[in-house]
Amino acid sequence: AQKITQTQPGMFVQEKEAVTLDCTYDTSDQSYGLFWYKQPSSGEMIFLIYQGSYDEQNATEGRYSLNFQKARKSTNLVISASQLGDSAMYFCAMRGLTTNAGKSTFGDGTTLTVKP
Amino acid sequence: DVKVTQSSRYLVKRTGEKVFLECVQDMDHENMFWYRQDPGLGLRLIYFSYDVKMKEKGDIPEGYSVSREKKERFSLILESASTNQTSMYLCASSVPGEAFFGQGTRLTVV
Repeated sequence: AQKITQTQPGMFVQEKEAVTLDCTYDTSDQSYGLFWYKQPSSGEMIFLIYQGSYDEQNATEGRYSLNFQKARKSTNLVISASQLGDSAMYFCAMRGLTTNAGKSTFGDGTTLTVKP
Repeated sequence: DVKVTQSSRYLVKRTGEKVFLECVQDMDHENMFWYRQDPGLGLRLIYFSYDVKMKEKGDIPEGYSVSREKKERFSLILESASTNQTSMYLCASSVPGEAFFGQGTRLTVV
């Protein structure tokens, strides 16, 4: 079984500052992927960044980066230089990577508000 | 760009109706998923499929069925819609390292 825990229901950050959104996970899978998504008020889920369990480097995509600590089973999302458009709900998710282990598990989400 | 398209953005159906939610992806992804999203409950997996004609139950399959006759299309079926199935439905497709969602369908059952 997989479990994702996001302990921050809501976060505030000042525009242009960095913010870290926490995510811890639990799984019995040896090989898995960790995902972060952004969901603006319009409802669509936007894929942000991916980290594979065997990746040695922390994933980075533009202003998004992951602080992946495998031993602690955490994969925190860091957003640098926050913008007003970053205000949204953010979901952490994981999925096993074996052939037919496509089941994805999501956290409850963190609502980020960027203040001008 | 990867595209996952859901057939309807908003849908209103009557109790007892059979409802089809369609999802099509254009990137030849093997895995496809259907979730529902409810306030306070996050995303919950209804069904997923890792190949044509293959399907696996997720966490909340009761009251739903799915069909995957072609790799690009994954349909969610509400056999007899009920008011407790009023929700936001999200379709997704993925391969390892990539996962993409459709724009969602807000279904209201009256």
